[in-house]
Amino acid sequence: AQRVTQPEKLLSVFKGAPVELKCNYSYSGSPELFWYVQYSRQRLQLLLRHISRESIKGFTADLNKGETSFHLKKPFAQEEDSAMYYCALNTDTGGFKTIFGAGTRLFVKA
Amino acid sequence: GAVVSQHPSWVICKSGTSVKIECRSLDFQATTMFWYRQFPKQSLMLMATSNEGSKATYEQGVEKDKFLINHASLTLSTLTVTSAHPEDSSFYICSARGSGGRYEQYFGPGTRLTVT
Repeated sequence: AQRVTQPEKLLSVFKGAPVELKCNYSYSGSPELFWYVQYSRQRLQLLLRHISRESIKGFTADLNKGETSFHLKKPFAQEEDSAMYYCALNTDTGGFKTIFGAGTRLFVKA
Repeated sequence: GAVVSQHPSWVICKSGTSVKIECRSLDFQATTMFWYRQFPKQSLMLMATSNEGSKATYEQGVEKDKFLINHASLTLSTLTVTSAHPEDSSFYICSARGSGGRYEQYFGPGTRLTVT
């Protein structure tokens, strides 16, 4: 079954602390994974894609096929990072579509 | 960057009536558009995928006769909720994917539907 699991509904950290948002996936093919972010009262937007291996706003995410994980990390959280984060998986089975995890709300405290 | 708009941003309708939501790609041609539903404090659930000029592909459990999708042009897709009921109240989000980038998917701001 194709599935994206984000085990934490809410993650609260202090400003300057490291943050890690967990994501695990289940997919039989070669995964295409993404992190999307939704700031308060804004639309969903792409944050990271695993294939680019890039760092955006200080965030990075490494695909670990052995652990079927794609955790999102940032060494020093900022208050403006407070948002809803969704891990997502693109699949081609039965047509292209994106499967979203349940989302993790990150709250960065001053 | 690519922009996707939705209209209206919010709508209130009475039970039994139909309501149409538009999704437009403003500066690119969207060969594929997706319609999602999002319940409060929950994730996005894909309802259907629409390709320009062809019938939409609905996800399991989504009633195609209730949620009519039309993708008449490369820049416009519409979702019509027919004979709306209070349980149809939700946040509906569309996204669009161009013909070029395989990975790029741009989201609209969403439409809040309330059925009274």
